[in-house]
Amino acid sequence: GQNIDQPTEMTATEGAIVQINCTYQTSGFNGLFWYQQHAGEAPTFLSYNVLDGLEEKGRFSSFLSRSKGYSYLLLKELQMKDSASYLCAVRGGYNKLIFGAGTRLAVHP
Amino acid sequence: DADVTQTPRNRITKTGKRIMLECSQTKGHDRMYWYRQDPGLGLRLIYYSFDVKDINKGEISDGYSVSRQAQAKFSLSLESAIPNQTALYFCATSDLLETQYFGPGTRLLVL
Repeated sequence: GQNIDQPTEMTATEGAIVQINCTYQTSGFNGLFWYQQHAGEAPTFLSYNVLDGLEEKGRFSSFLSRSKGYSYLLLKELQMKDSASYLCAVRGGYNKLIFGAGTRLAVHP
Repeated sequence: DADVTQTPRNRITKTGKRIMLECSQTKGHDRMYWYRQDPGLGLRLIYYSFDVKDINKGEISDGYSVSRQAQAKFSLSLESAIPNQTALYFCATSDLLETQYFGPGTRLLVL
């Protein structure tokens, strides 16, 4: 079967660092995406990993370990506007994306 | 102007009615998708199209149909709406790396 797991909810303090984990089991692997989705809005692209290692983009970084079926999204210097859901998605066989249920992050002062 | 647009943005309908959700894009992508999003379940793929002549079922296509009228247009129909089709529906396009670009969503309520 195909499965993507991520925590349902997380809370963090403004200015802090938070790590959102994602584990996956899919038939085929052609890359892993992270999307941000504010309540009631469309998901927007954050990052893409296809090789093992860390990809850094400003305050956001994403890590992938293909052998472990594991990724994380690291958010630094948290701001109130980072309160959103973060969706992990794997590009599996036939190049289709499979989404996790998302992690709802609440940033408080 | 938005690259991916959806109409309507909100719709209330009754059980048994036929409705159509429309999607247009100006990104020039061949690939288009329809997803639904339900609380706690994430985004689930309904149908996808890799070009005008290519239509494929996703994981939850029962009760839905689609039409790819042109490269830029992909519509989703509910032939006979039922209450468990109440959801937030997203259209998306993608480039060859499958980076998805989503429309603003259509909030559908079936009574």
